[in-house]
Amino acid sequence: QKEVEQDPGPLSVPEGAIVSLNCTYSNSAFQYFMWYRQYSRKGPELLMYTYSSGNKEDGRFTAQVDKSSKYISLFIRDSQPSDSATYLCAMSQGNQFYFGTGTSLTVIP
Amino acid sequence: GAVVSQHPSWVICKSGTSVKIECRSLDFQATTMFWYRQFPKQSLMLMATSNEGSKATYEQGVEKDKFLINHASLTLSTLTVTSAHPEDSSFYICSARPPVPNTGELFFGEGSRLTVL
Repeated sequence: QKEVEQDPGPLSVPEGAIVSLNCTYSNSAFQYFMWYRQYSRKGPELLMYTYSSGNKEDGRFTAQVDKSSKYISLFIRDSQPSDSATYLCAMSQGNQFYFGTGTSLTVIP
Repeated sequence: GAVVSQHPSWVICKSGTSVKIECRSLDFQATTMFWYRQFPKQSLMLMATSNEGSKATYEQGVEKDKFLINHASLTLSTLTVTSAHPEDSSFYICSARPPVPNTGELFFGEGSRLTVL
């Protein structure tokens, strides 16, 4: 079983839609949870970072962590064509980082 | 957020030559940096963990003599692909985390696309 599972998509939504991206994990010792956005041929850009269970909001983005279910989500409200990218979830324990395979998102104008 | 800069962003070389990629943390000191390799439409594959002032820790299956890593200062790590071959063509990405506060955030460079002819 992989440490982190993420549906690769691709996911295609119309502009303005709410997007829900999810990851599950198996290691209950993970301490930090992150979401990255990666445009084609670019390095990943840190979007959201959370430590504990609960919600964290930043503009149109909301990160949700449910440690009891080992499940994390990223919600994008009012999605824009510029949100079209691959979204990677990541988790860490000490200096060990584990990444999902990434979900490819296309927002259609 | 913190800034990690990577150079060059794109390089083409002939088979058998060596290529050096630099990774710099611009606004923080990084005792640890990470080097990843990414194939098209795949996730990040950790190659090695670079530790300032000591030898890098390589992941299983990564040839340390092929991929030389040097972390000579708290803001610079380099990856040298020695005697490059076409199968080494890939997207190489470095990352670093600010030590203080130790919040767990990891920041990535822009990536370096290597094409070996």
